[in-house]
Amino acid sequence: GAVVSQHPSWVICKSGTSVKIECRSLDFQATTMFWYRQFPKQSLMLMATSNEGSKATYEQGVEKDKFLINHASLTLSTLTVTSAHPEDSSFYICSARDLTGGYNEQFFGPGTRLTVL
Amino acid sequence: SQKIEQNSEALNIQEGKTATLTCNYTNYSPAYLQWYRQDPGRGPVFLLLIRENEKEKRKERLKVTFDTTLKQSLFHITASQPADSATYLCALGPARQLTFGSGTQLTVLP
Repeated sequence: GAVVSQHPSWVICKSGTSVKIECRSLDFQATTMFWYRQFPKQSLMLMATSNEGSKATYEQGVEKDKFLINHASLTLSTLTVTSAHPEDSSFYICSARDLTGGYNEQFFGPGTRLTVL
Repeated sequence: SQKIEQNSEALNIQEGKTATLTCNYTNYSPAYLQWYRQDPGRGPVFLLLIRENEKEKRKERLKVTFDTTLKQSLFHITASQPADSATYLCALGPARQLTFGSGTQLTVLP
C-alpha cells in the first residue's frame, strides 16, 4: 500500500512554455502532499506544501506565480511550472502523507525529470 | 538555522560487511528522524522512522539509533549486499515539513 504515482516521468519542453506534473496517491487519501525539487547530487528541497481544498504553502524563495499548485481532490495534486526556463530544469518529486497507520512518514512518487531547452 | 550533515558523500564497503551511515543535526530538536533510500533517477523510498523517545529501531538487516543528546542518528546495514548500493537520506520532522540531509552514496563491492 501507500503508493504515489507521478506523470509524466520525464518531459522536455521549450523555454517559455508551461508544464503540468501530476501527483496521485493510488491507494490512500492524502490531505497533504508535498512538492520537492532536487538538483544533481543535492538533497531534496521542499518547494511547497499542498493542502486539499486550500491554497498551497510555499517555502521561502519559491515563486508561487511560477510554480502553481492545485490540490483539488484527496488523491491528486498538480504542479504547473509556468513559462519554464532552462534554470527550471530539475528533478521534481512529490510525496504524500498516510496517517492511517499512525506514522508520519512520507511516501514519494518516482519523480519527474524536467528539461527546458 | 537548522543543519543536517550526513557523513561522507560516498562510502564503499565490501559485501558482507556492516555499513554504518551517520546523520548529525544542529539547532533542531526533531520529534522524528527518518531514513530513506534513493536510487538514481527515482524518488526516495521510506525505510525506517524512529521517535525521539526511542533509542533503537530494527527492520530485517537495518538498524537505526537515535541519540538526542549527541544529536546524531546511526544507520546500519548488516550483511550488506551489492543490491544495497544506493543513496541514503536522513530526514528530520515534524512530519508536516521534513528536512533532508544531502545523503550518503553507499556502494557495496562484490
